[in-house]
Amino acid sequence: DAGITQSPRHKVTETGTPVTLRCHQTENHRYMYWYRQDPGHGLRLIHYSYGVKDTDKGEVSDGYSVSRSKTEDFLLTLESATSSQTSVYFCAISGTSGSYEQYFGPGTRLTVT
Amino acid sequence: SQQGEEDPQALSIQEGENATMNCSYKTSINNLQWYRQNSGRGLVHLILIRSNEREKHSGRLRVTLDTSKKSSSLLITASRAADTASYFCATDITGGGNKLTFGTGTQLKVEL
Repeated sequence: DAGITQSPRHKVTETGTPVTLRCHQTENHRYMYWYRQDPGHGLRLIHYSYGVKDTDKGEVSDGYSVSRSKTEDFLLTLESATSSQTSVYFCAISGTSGSYEQYFGPGTRLTVT
Repeated sequence: SQQGEEDPQALSIQEGENATMNCSYKTSINNLQWYRQNSGRGLVHLILIRSNEREKHSGRLRVTLDTSKKSSSLLITASRAADTASYFCATDITGGGNKLTFGTGTQLKVEL
């Protein structure tokens, strides 16, 4: 398995609270991605990064922000969690180009009550 | 709407049979990839086919790509119970930047 971890793996939080999910890689890959997975929607891209401090929005970025201050870490923040953000969140990394093979982390199951 | 749509949404077969799932997409692509996801796990890359390729093999996997029809198929031959998983196609859209667009997936169940 690619050296990619996510923390926490499970989290329950209340509506209106901020939440930060962490993705950590040991592969020194340039590209990192945050997806959410919901029944009937497959994986949808939230934000991605193409280098330290270089990030861009994906398909469903509203309500989320990201930061990447080091190559190995990519943080996803839900500024004020809502029930619609209950989902499974996956981080992925890619080396040469994000358009090629992506390696996925184990996922974080987030429940917003 | 999704760039990639898999068909069927669910498929149930017996061990030893072949499984075929299809993916259709809407816009021009540079490549198309297939991923597998076991229950409760992250996705695992299976195979990549470039837009100028028509067929590719990897072990028991065979992928075809028809750019004129904007479709791809994944064939798993001699399926095993361990092949039970969800399968997703993902497209690298021309001019779309360094990211992939995933379909909604096909749930494959291989029964003993």
